[in-house]
Amino acid sequence: DGGITQSPKYLFRKEGQNVTLSCEQNLNHDAMYWYRQDPGQGLRLIYYSQIVNDFQKGDIAEGYSVSREKKESFPLTVTSAQKNPTAFYLCASSIRGLANEQFFGPGTRLTVL
Amino acid sequence: AQSVTQLGSHVSVSEGALVLLRCNYSSSVPPYLFWYVQYPNQGLQLLLKYTTGATLVKGINGFEAEFKKSETSFHLTKPSAHMSDAAEYFCAVKTEAGANSKLTFGKGITLSVRP
Repeated sequence: DGGITQSPKYLFRKEGQNVTLSCEQNLNHDAMYWYRQDPGQGLRLIYYSQIVNDFQKGDIAEGYSVSREKKESFPLTVTSAQKNPTAFYLCASSIRGLANEQFFGPGTRLTVL
Repeated sequence: AQSVTQLGSHVSVSEGALVLLRCNYSSSVPPYLFWYVQYPNQGLQLLLKYTTGATLVKGINGFEAEFKKSETSFHLTKPSAHMSDAAEYFCAVKTEAGANSKLTFGKGITLSVRP
């Protein structure tokens, strides 16, 4: 089955530690995205990548980093510089183009203790 | 710049009643519009989208939406609510192509369905 996988589903980390969230897709999509979701705030774009080895900052990139070494993979690192990292993180992918929708993974809930 | 406004954070309807979830957008160019649904602790699933052509768009699970350019609206409707429709609904807009192509989401509306 084609789709997007995110692992793990739940993640706990101590304050001050960096943590990497995994996102893998087998849909052969060029574009991939990372969003952060907080209650009542909708989805906010962290980073996105339209092609391998290239990515752009979204609206809330501070304290986060990404890489795009393979078409299938777009890992997100939440660094210790992120002031309030506890949130639900969603990864998405799409075919490039205005009319094409994004497909979403199941999400990772990160809790920083 | 593009933006989306979803009025109200919570809508409650009785089972069998009409569902109306409002979405207004702001865009200086013709928009592409999307509605997504999210069940608790899950990712988002596309309900329907408007790109070009017919302004009344039908989606999955009996939902539909109408693009009204004069009102800058894309409201989501369903004639008869079902208990399984209880979820959070997001409207989103996309206007730019190429390297800047990205979706802008509204804050979402939680739909509750009363028995």
